[in-house]
This record gives sequence, structure tokens and C-alpha cells, in this order.
Amino acid sequence: NAGVMQNPRHLVRRRGQEARLRCSPMKGHSHVYWYRQLPEEGLKFMVYLQKENIIDESGMPKERFSAEFPKEGPSILRIQQVVRGDSAAYFCASSPRGAHYEQYFGPGTRLTVT
Amino acid sequence: DQQVKQNSPSLSVQEGRISILNCDYTNSMFDYFLWYKKYPAEGPTFLISISSIKDKNEDGRFTVFLNKSAKHLSLHIVPSQPGDSAVYFCAASRTDSWGKLQFGAGTQVVVTP
Repeated sequence: NAGVMQNPRHLVRRRGQEARLRCSPMKGHSHVYWYRQLPEEGLKFMVYLQKENIIDESGMPKERFSAEFPKEGPSILRIQQVVRGDSAAYFCASSPRGAHYEQYFGPGTRLTVT
Repeated sequence: DQQVKQNSPSLSVQEGRISILNCDYTNSMFDYFLWYKKYPAEGPTFLISISSIKDKNEDGRFTVFLNKSAKHLSLHIVPSQPGDSAVYFCAASRTDSWGKLQFGAGTQVVVTP
């Protein structure tokens, strides 16, 4: 059973470009969480999604950031018009239905904005 | 605001000895607590958890203690092994928050021979 997969592992974007980060949850998991880790800090919750629904986006910046988890395919975290402050490691976690604390994390995508 | 705090950024311990990691929280609504371990270039992996109805949970070499009145928890690793060298994150959640975890800043543990 493959774990949570994220791609790309490393992404370099120039200021103003768009970044798309993908997350494939573990097989059978229907809940996806996105977290961001800035340098020297802990992980910060961004958004919680179920298939085709955003349940809690209280940690998402109001502008430029969006997330989706379509019926088919991976979850996508999209950052438009990236700025240097978006440089961070972005982690995705998935959990099975009814077991919110049983979160399995992917290896992360390290975004660098130049 | 930082509701979960790990005040020790690093800890060095000899192999075979006990490692004690500390974590404080400010939100009295938190009722579930977890510890994660993270190696470089990998995602966090779950270690052990505790519900607020307990004050201790043990799993092999790992024991977590919860002191609700002090809003403090600790992780004990006995005996420490070289493979335990990693960053350890404390996380807290509320059962009505869909598993949304709030993390501390982490403690880097180095186990020396």
C-alpha cells in the first residue's frame, strides 16, 4: 500500500508565477489536509478537504491560495502570483473516514520562489 | 498566535539514556495530543498520542505524560538510540475541529554514542 505521494518534491518559481502542488492520498483515504512549514517553525494547518468539498480553510491566506480535491485525481494546492514569502515546505496528509487523527504525511514539496 | 510551544529547540543525549521532550499549550479546549518524529527531507511520522481523559500513554520505548492543570505534556524515550536522532513535534487538537492539528516548533534531538 503506497503512502501519501506528493509531487513535485522540489519546485522553483519566479515571483509572479503560479505554483501547483499535488497530493495523492493513501488508497482508501478520503480526507486530505495541507500544512505549510516555514523555516525554523512548526507545521501550520492550511486546509482540510474531503472529496469535492472544502471543509475547513481557516488556515489558508485569503488571496492567491486555493485548494481542491476532485472526485478523481489528486488534491491540488494552487498558489497564484507567488512571492518570496511563499517559500516553504508544503506537506499533505491523508486520513481514513472517521479517523481524523490518523494522519499520514507525504514527503512534502519544497517551494522556492526566486 | 502560537498555542503550542516547544521551548527547547535542541536536545543532546547519550545513547542508552532517557530523552525528555517538553511541550506546553495555552488553549484549554485542546483535548487530544500527538507526537510526531521527522527526519530531513521526509514528512512527519506519527509516534504516540494521548487523549485528555488520560494522564499517561505508553508504547514500547515511548511514553507520553499529560498534566492538564499545567497545560503541559512530555515525551520520554527510554533507552535513546542513534536512530532516534530527528526533529520531534508536539501537536494538539480539539475533537470538534476535524483533526486540524496545531504544531509546536519542534525539538531537534541528537543521540550521541
